[in-house]
Amino acid sequence: AQSVTQLGSHVSVSEGALVLLRCNYSSSVPPYLFWYVQYPNQGLQLLLKYTTGATLVKGINGFEAEFKKSETSFHLTKPSAHMSDAAEYFCAVSAGASKIIFGSGTRLSIRP
Amino acid sequence: DTEVTQTPKHLVMGMTNKKSLKCEQHMGHRAMYWYKQKAKKPPELMFVYSYEKLSINESVPSRFSPECPNSSLLNLHLHALQPEDSALYLCASSHQGLAVPYEQYFGPGTRLTVT
Repeated sequence: AQSVTQLGSHVSVSEGALVLLRCNYSSSVPPYLFWYVQYPNQGLQLLLKYTTGATLVKGINGFEAEFKKSETSFHLTKPSAHMSDAAEYFCAVSAGASKIIFGSGTRLSIRP
Repeated sequence: DTEVTQTPKHLVMGMTNKKSLKCEQHMGHRAMYWYKQKAKKPPELMFVYSYEKLSINESVPSRFSPECPNSSLLNLHLHALQPEDSALYLCASSHQGLAVPYEQYFGPGTRLTVT
């Protein structure tokens, strides 16, 4: 069965600092992996996705993630945090043709 | 147009009421989803429609009744809800994959309060 573990329910960084949100997955088949962002009182927005091919994936708003099969990880990074990055971030893994499994989420706070 | 719209934005209903949530997309997607999201939790899948047919029901109570009238519309009919059903209800759509999923596009949600 597929599952996702997000390490750290809350991460706080200073504005301009590196953002690192951790995600580890478990999948019995080659996974498709996603990062979504949810701003307060809004729906989810896709940041980036890994399907096959290049293991370093670039997304919107300066975010990127690297698929590491040996570590079963798909961590999300951004070199320099901005106040507007404050939100809830969800990692997700494919679980069939019509289903994705979400992690528990990480709330990102940005300190001025 | 990459937008999924949901109406209403907010809904307050009593436990004996009947109401409906609506979702619409014009991206040509043939898979549509209903999720329930409680505060500080990830979305929980409720239903999946594939080519207007119900393909996944995640053991949702019968007081929630989905309907897909056509490829652009998805409804969720609510009847005799309980206070614990209060949550954000999210609709999403995607292309229909054969073996693996495409990315899902989410609407802004309907904030439901059951009194």
